[in-house]
Amino acid sequence: SAVISQKPSRDICQRGTSLTIQCQVDSQVTMMFWYRQQPGQSLTLIATANQGSEATYESGFVIDKFPISRPNLTFSTLTVSNMSPEDSSIYLCSVVTDRSDGYTFGSGTRLTVV
Amino acid sequence: GDSVTQMEGPVTLSEEAFLTINCTYTATGYPSLFWYVQYPGEGLQLLLKATKADDKGSNKGFEATYRKETTSFHLEKGSVQVSDSAVYFCALTFSSNTGKLIFGQGTTLQVKP
Repeated sequence: SAVISQKPSRDICQRGTSLTIQCQVDSQVTMMFWYRQQPGQSLTLIATANQGSEATYESGFVIDKFPISRPNLTFSTLTVSNMSPEDSSIYLCSVVTDRSDGYTFGSGTRLTVV
Repeated sequence: GDSVTQMEGPVTLSEEAFLTINCTYTATGYPSLFWYVQYPGEGLQLLLKATKADDKGSNKGFEATYRKETTSFHLEKGSVQVSDSAVYFCALTFSSNTGKLIFGQGTTLQVKP
């Protein structure tokens, strides 16, 4: 399965600022996903990062708040913009090579907004 | 819409006890089903999977059987260890969709020596 490097692993940020999270995969993958895990909660899909086109966002998530880049088949970034304490969560990227084979997750970015 | 429901936690067991974590799903069609585990401070790891009815996924002593008639995928282990303490997530996806994973709310397992 693919190996994912996600950076940073954690950060503490001031409200009103932005943070960009990077996801690097050791092989080319078609589909990359960004999830949010709020404290004590399950994972919610933010968007699907598409190479060469705009990301596809889930209901409740918008591009202005969570801009995503996908410049090639091994890399993606998620930016959390104009942060508020409600954005404090773990953000995870995920890739899939074969949907019936499961998905691989990065180790996550633990974000605290103060 | 499609959804996954897990039993609420935390589940607290003594070492070597039998574990069951219930998972049921609602879906239009026949999804693939997964159990993921999240150890403290770590990311998600795939524990096991099943892609069609009556399939049994197994790994590290854990098992789960895809039951179409009851739309369930309960996780079981015959003898838990302290090292099994983690959060367990049941999830589903469809091969025909955009690849989105739908997760249950997670169940925290605490195993005491």
